[in-house]
Amino acid sequence: VLTQSPGTLSLSPGERATLSCGASQSVTSNALAWYQQKPGQAPRLLINAASSRATGIPDRFSGSGSGTDFTLTISRLEPEDFAVYYCQQYGSSPITFGQGTRLEIK
Amino acid sequence: EVQLVESGGGLVQPGRSLRLSCVVSGITFDDYALHWVRQRPGKGLEWVSGISWNGGTIAYADSVKGRFTISRDNAKNSLFLQMNSLRAEDTALYYCVKDVNMIPYCGGPCYSGGLDYWGQGTLVTVSS
Repeated sequence: VLTQSPGTLSLSPGERATLSCGASQSVTSNALAWYQQKPGQAPRLLINAASSRATGIPDRFSGSGSGTDFTLTISRLEPEDFAVYYCQQYGSSPITFGQGTRLEIK
Repeated sequence: EVQLVESGGGLVQPGRSLRLSCVVSGITFDDYALHWVRQRPGKGLEWVSGISWNGGTIAYADSVKGRFTISRDNAKNSLFLQMNSLRAEDTALYYCVKDVNMIPYCGGPCYSGGLDYWGQGTLVTVSS
């Protein structure tokens, strides 16, 4: 089970966002990804292998962590970053997603 | 340009069956694992099933095991999901998704992964 916190995060553009994802057991090979989903759109892969940015993802997005505790950090929020974020483990079956963190404009 | 186009969704009665299809273009189809991920209205993402590049490794979420069957036809660049004994809780938008890797989950050491291309989804509504 992946548990994301907080459920909702209210911040202003330019601020730093820190999103957490906790696993009930160690994630195999730190096989953890982060996704961004905006209303009416399919999710977009941001980070894989816990800390590697996917192709085309701005460097204000960074991932860290290992084992059971992972973090997605957005260094300086842009208006387009306000969305729902999901973590996902793909190290073992069944693959699981966290319940999501909604990042909203304060 | 990578494209995944789903079809086959619709309104179906509880207990009936439905078959989803996904045609993929813009990639070497048999180099990658593929998945179905669903999203109930207003809810989060739920992984449903994944299949390796050659169909040799298949996995399902517990919620669909025994009712859903994933398959692929590499000659036709197509992914399928046969859904039987449908329930109201299967109502969702079903996404066809490409994996970064050839296998759907690591099961051991791996250095990359994740779901990098998504279709726009096909809506399945289970209701009487």
